[in-house]
Amino acid sequence: DVKVTQSSRYLVKRTGEKVFLECVQDMDHENMFWYRQDPGLGLRLIYFSYDVKMKEKGDIPEGYSVSREKKERFSLILESASTNQTSMYLCASGILETQYFGPGTRLLVL
Amino acid sequence: SQKIEQNSEALNIQEGKTATLTCNYTNYSPAYLQWYRQDPGRGPVFLLLIRENEKEKRKERLKVTFDTTLKQSLFHITASQPADSATYLCALVARGSQGNLIFGKGTKLSVKP
Repeated sequence: DVKVTQSSRYLVKRTGEKVFLECVQDMDHENMFWYRQDPGLGLRLIYFSYDVKMKEKGDIPEGYSVSREKKERFSLILESASTNQTSMYLCASGILETQYFGPGTRLLVL
Repeated sequence: SQKIEQNSEALNIQEGKTATLTCNYTNYSPAYLQWYRQDPGRGPVFLLLIRENEKEKRKERLKVTFDTTLKQSLFHITASQPADSATYLCALVARGSQGNLIFGKGTKLSVKP
């Protein structure tokens, strides 16, 4: 079974803090993705990566950056957290057409 | 503008009936379309994929249809059970794109005993 793990299920941070969300997959997938999910807005793509050290902006990259130093690990960074970044963050990895999602991190920025 | 819409936010049905969920898209040419299931507080789980040249796909009690003329996909769960209660998401990949999924907002299905 594919396993995608995310470092935290719940996280509370203060405005202005730097936040790291980690994602690890164990299936040697080339492709990895970060989404956020908000009520009424659905899943929106923040960043994606099709290879180590490669990254591409998704639909809503502002306020975020990513790092992919190893194939199995894809990190999402909030350089200076703001209250409008309170959301559910979902990581996914995939091969060809199918994506496998992690359990999500629910982030609250106060 | 481009849109992918799941017409019902919520659908309530009785156990044993067939649940039918709708996904419509506008101004996309999908290479393929997928359906995912999402339980509260969890990530989506892949269920089925249907390509633009396919009309229908089945997996156990699940059936997906794809009508490129109507620009619509229907997702059916036959003999529904309370355990089928969840939010179901459709997602498409546009032909000629980088291959990223574009998601609908989901339909929350509740199956009552």
